[in-house]
Amino acid sequence: GAGVSQSPSNKVTEKGKDVELRCDPISGHTALYWYRQSLGQGLEFLIYFQGNSAPDKSGLPSDRFSAERTGGSVSTLTIQRTQQEDSAVYLCASSPHWSPQETQYFGPGTRLLVL
Amino acid sequence: LAKTTQPISMDSYEGQEVNITCSHNNIATNDYITWYQQFPSQGPRFIIQGYKTKVTNEVASLFIPADRKSSTLSLPRVSLSDTAVYYCLVGDRPIGAAGNKLTFGGGTRVLVKP
Repeated sequence: GAGVSQSPSNKVTEKGKDVELRCDPISGHTALYWYRQSLGQGLEFLIYFQGNSAPDKSGLPSDRFSAERTGGSVSTLTIQRTQQEDSAVYLCASSPHWSPQETQYFGPGTRLLVL
Repeated sequence: LAKTTQPISMDSYEGQEVNITCSHNNIATNDYITWYQQFPSQGPRFIIQGYKTKVTNEVASLFIPADRKSSTLSLPRVSLSDTAVYYCLVGDRPIGAAGNKLTFGGGTRVLVKP
């Protein structure tokens, strides 16, 4: 079946502009996660959704970052007034249920470059 | 969440067995151990998960000693295509629980040479 998809695959933007990243989880998966991976670095957790709810937003790097999920499916990660340090690969993952023992299935990521 | 420590990098040759050990001294009773593989420009891919003793699937084996303070991912007879970063992940709490940030860490870069 279809895996997690993300769009766009690549995004180049100018400093100060807003960007919106989209994640389509595997159908039926209730849990959705956003991560960021900077060049040469490991994965940094940003936020997760259980259904449409994001219980903890403390992982978001700054108040320029926001995320939402509607209908228990598609999620968007929005970065306002982008900065060069926001350049990274943004990864989305989903799992069937909300449990740490559940395997997370990752999408291919969106590569963001802020000039 | 239990912090994990892995070697930064590891070189091997085609056909050899690669063993990557992850230390997680503060692992809790309910924690599971999960390993992911990531190729350049791709998202992480689940490899294997275990709780104790040994787990084997078509891709790898995971060895967990009785005290569970470490785990070893074993990749049999690696090929060039196994060149990737391998992440060890330990946790029992829902990811993102208040005050917790789940970070995979730097992972182990495995380079398989001809």
